[in-house]
Amino acid sequence: QKEVEQDPGPLSVPEGAIVSLNCTYSNSAFQYFMWYRQYSRKGPELLMYTYSSGNKEDGRFTAQVDKSSKYISLFIRDSQPSDSATYLCAMSARSSGNTGKLIFGQGTTLQVKP
Amino acid sequence: DSGVTQTPKHLITATGQRVTLRCSPRSGDLSVYWYQQSLDQGLQFLIQYYNGEERAKGNILERFSAQQFPDLHSELNLSSLELGDSALYFCASTEGRESPLHFGNGTRLTVT
Repeated sequence: QKEVEQDPGPLSVPEGAIVSLNCTYSNSAFQYFMWYRQYSRKGPELLMYTYSSGNKEDGRFTAQVDKSSKYISLFIRDSQPSDSATYLCAMSARSSGNTGKLIFGQGTTLQVKP
Repeated sequence: DSGVTQTPKHLITATGQRVTLRCSPRSGDLSVYWYQQSLDQGLQFLIQYYNGEERAKGNILERFSAQQFPDLHSELNLSSLELGDSALYFCASTEGRESPLHFGNGTRLTVT
């Protein structure tokens, strides 16, 4: 079983829809949680960064962390065709000595149709 | 633009050869990380350097090695290349332990 599970999709939604992306994990030591967006032929771009449980909002994006359920989510409101990309969840354990040793999900491919 | 620069963008080489990938971190970032991305394995951590010193190792093959130079740029050396080494290789940097990683646009390696 992988440490981080993410549905690879693909997920196709109409423009303006609310998108929900999710990851589950098994390592209870994870404390830092991130969402990255990756366009084709580009590197992962940081979208959201949260520590421990709770919600964080940034524009149309909301990240939620539920450590009791080992479950994280990313919500995209009013989705746009430019949001079409692969979304990767990533997480790290503080005990690793640094937050750089990230464990990534497989990524969910999202397509937003005009 | 993340500020992390990787060269070359593309590399095509034959099995058994050796290549060097280069990374310049964001200005001020002391930590550099190397990741490999393939279709079947996803993004896998290879190795981390901090201010010239190796700090952590992931699933890096013995045929692969890296180093970080005094000017903080880093190089990933891949030798005795095999077809299965074909992948995207990403470099990332961070300013500190509590900060997230910022990735470059990667080097696409094709081994024929």
